[in-house]
Amino acid sequence: QVQLQESGPGLVKPSGTLSLTCTVSGFSISSGDYWGWIRQLPGKGLEWIGSVYHSGSTHYNPSLQSRVTISVDTSKNQFSLKMTSVTAADTAVYYCARAGSNPLGSALWGQGTLVTVSS
Amino acid sequence: EIVLTQSPGTLSLSPGERATLSCRASQSVGRDYLAWYQQKPGQAPRLLFYGTSIRVSGIPDRFSGSGSWTDFTLTISGLEPEDFAVYYCQQYGSSPATFGQGTKVEIQ
Repeated sequence: QVQLQESGPGLVKPSGTLSLTCTVSGFSISSGDYWGWIRQLPGKGLEWIGSVYHSGSTHYNPSLQSRVTISVDTSKNQFSLKMTSVTAADTAVYYCARAGSNPLGSALWGQGTLVTVSS
Repeated sequence: EIVLTQSPGTLSLSPGERATLSCRASQSVGRDYLAWYQQKPGQAPRLLFYGTSIRVSGIPDRFSGSGSWTDFTLTISGLEPEDFAVYYCQQYGSSPATFGQGTKVEIQ
């Protein structure tokens, strides 16, 4: 049974960098598939951030692309999200997800982690 | 980007009733790249359907998905207590993937 678990700081200072890691169990990332990040803004719904293939190729939401990097570490069976220059508007629950064969998909989600941007 | 508009925002129904949820796209999505999710409080969204009408394993057959191009529907034929939740549609055929704003199905 494939499971995903997000980890990382729950509080980030404005102008700082948000860093999250998703650990995958029950499936080897190096076997294939795209792996992605989605966030749920308070009262504002769901926003697709981007995804990474096991080879390292990436797809990003153009609205966030200048601030976001998604990377994969197959040796640890993890993938990561870095978002720079964060503001209060980036406060959200961040989910990692197994996208599958489509880089824009989100078939299976982690439980999510709340990240608050505040000084 | 493709904007998805869901209606109604809230649906107040009783157990056993039929729920019909709508998702309209600002441009064609086709049939292959429309998904529906269910989200309960404190939980992550759960995929119900992909490719408009392909039910995920384990999803009861009282749930059905239909539609094409710009108009899509999620139907729950007889609401069970565990079905009261928020439902989102998503298109994943055109980057960026986008979600509707959600329909809350609440107990009347």
